[in-house]
Amino acid sequence: EDKVVQSPLSLVVHEGDTVTLNCSYEVTNFRSLLWYKQEKKAPTFLFMLTSSGIEKKSGRLSSILDKKELSSILNITATQTGDSAIYLCAVEAISAGNMLTFGGGTRLMVKP
Amino acid sequence: ETGVTQSPTHLIKTRGQQVTLRCSSQSGHNTVSWYQQALGQGPQFIFQYYREEENGRGNFPPRFSGLQFPNYSSELNVNALELDDSALYLCASSLGDRAYEQFFGPGTRLTVL
Repeated sequence: EDKVVQSPLSLVVHEGDTVTLNCSYEVTNFRSLLWYKQEKKAPTFLFMLTSSGIEKKSGRLSSILDKKELSSILNITATQTGDSAIYLCAVEAISAGNMLTFGGGTRLMVKP
Repeated sequence: ETGVTQSPTHLIKTRGQQVTLRCSSQSGHNTVSWYQQALGQGPQFIFQYYREEENGRGNFPPRFSGLQFPNYSSELNVNALELDDSALYLCASSLGDRAYEQFFGPGTRLTVL
């Protein structure tokens, strides 16, 4: 059974801090790993990573996948209160429907 | 706003009842996936519909069923509701079947009493 584990479960930081969120996975027929931000209800797509190991960046957010360790990290630098959200990691398998298996999420709270 | 809409926003049902949730996909999208997100957990894949046919199913019992219509909107039906069915139900639409192409709707919060 495919499995995705995120850590920490929750995190409280102050504005300006840098955070690192972790995601490890065990998936048969790995295709890609995706990061989402969920503020209220609808998750919004952040990054897609593949076994190429290429780092993805968007402003203060960056992410990379370690295919040997079967893990990924999401870094957020100079955090802002607007970064407060649940961050979800999901792995896409090569299968009918390209099924996504999600981790339980990391709840990030950024205090002023 | 992603252009994906879901109805209703909230719903309260009792055990044993049946429920239908609806999803209108973003214009031009022909694929709809449904997810169940229990409180404090990540979403779980229920199934995907592509051009009106089921195209993959997660580990959910047969009482979870779906439909996709010619306009690519979709329904999720759950029969014989159980307390554990209480969750946020998300749909996501895409043009292709790749996950990164999916846009999520705002979800329907189902409470089963």
